[in-house]
Amino acid sequence: GDSVTQMEGPVTLSEEAFLTINCTYTATGYPSLFWYVQYPGEGLQLLLKATKADDKGSNKGFEATYRKETTSFHLEKGSVQVSDSAVYFCALSETTSGTYKYIFGTGTRLKVLA
Amino acid sequence: DAGVIQSPRHEVTEMGQEVTLRCKPISGHDYLFWYRQTMMRGLELLIYFNNNVPIDDSGMPEDRFSAKMPNASFSTLKIQPSEPRDSAVYFCASRRGTASSTDTQYFGPGTRLTVL
Repeated sequence: GDSVTQMEGPVTLSEEAFLTINCTYTATGYPSLFWYVQYPGEGLQLLLKATKADDKGSNKGFEATYRKETTSFHLEKGSVQVSDSAVYFCALSETTSGTYKYIFGTGTRLKVLA
Repeated sequence: DAGVIQSPRHEVTEMGQEVTLRCKPISGHDYLFWYRQTMMRGLELLIYFNNNVPIDDSGMPEDRFSAKMPNASFSTLKIQPSEPRDSAVYFCASRRGTASSTDTQYFGPGTRLTVL
């Protein structure tokens, strides 16, 4: 079945450092891809999404490009802030069952130090 | 828009007691999902509904867990009897019902359940 694999965390960076969180997927069909962010004590919030190959999703300085050839959707940000400390989840919306339920990765915790 | 509403936000109960978690999805959304999040197992999909009908409950851990959606604006997840290993954060999420993989799923703030 469809699956999502994320890099293990935690990722610890200094403020203003460059961020990459890797995400790869396996899927039948052409899923949409999503990044969600979860701040401490809160629910998951959509950060960005891409719905077809070569699409780039972007929001709040974060970007991710849907790469069909490498089945990847890596999250990047050029300069992280302390306020970006959170858990980031990569997800796909599977297409084979007709209900498009999400398949989530295990999450990657990011800690940004001042 | 009020977003997905969950209650209670925190629940502490003793082993063996019945626990009921509640969710109000975003108006107009046809899909409703219940998830459980723990440190050990991450985010698990328990069950989801389409137009108030349960579609897939294969993620429900055992018969102690049950979920209902009596109408389009309300769903419950019940655990009876509760056990300490049920301690987790339970999330409800909703989504529009269009036949598209592009639609966004919106999450509620979660209910943190502690079973002593």
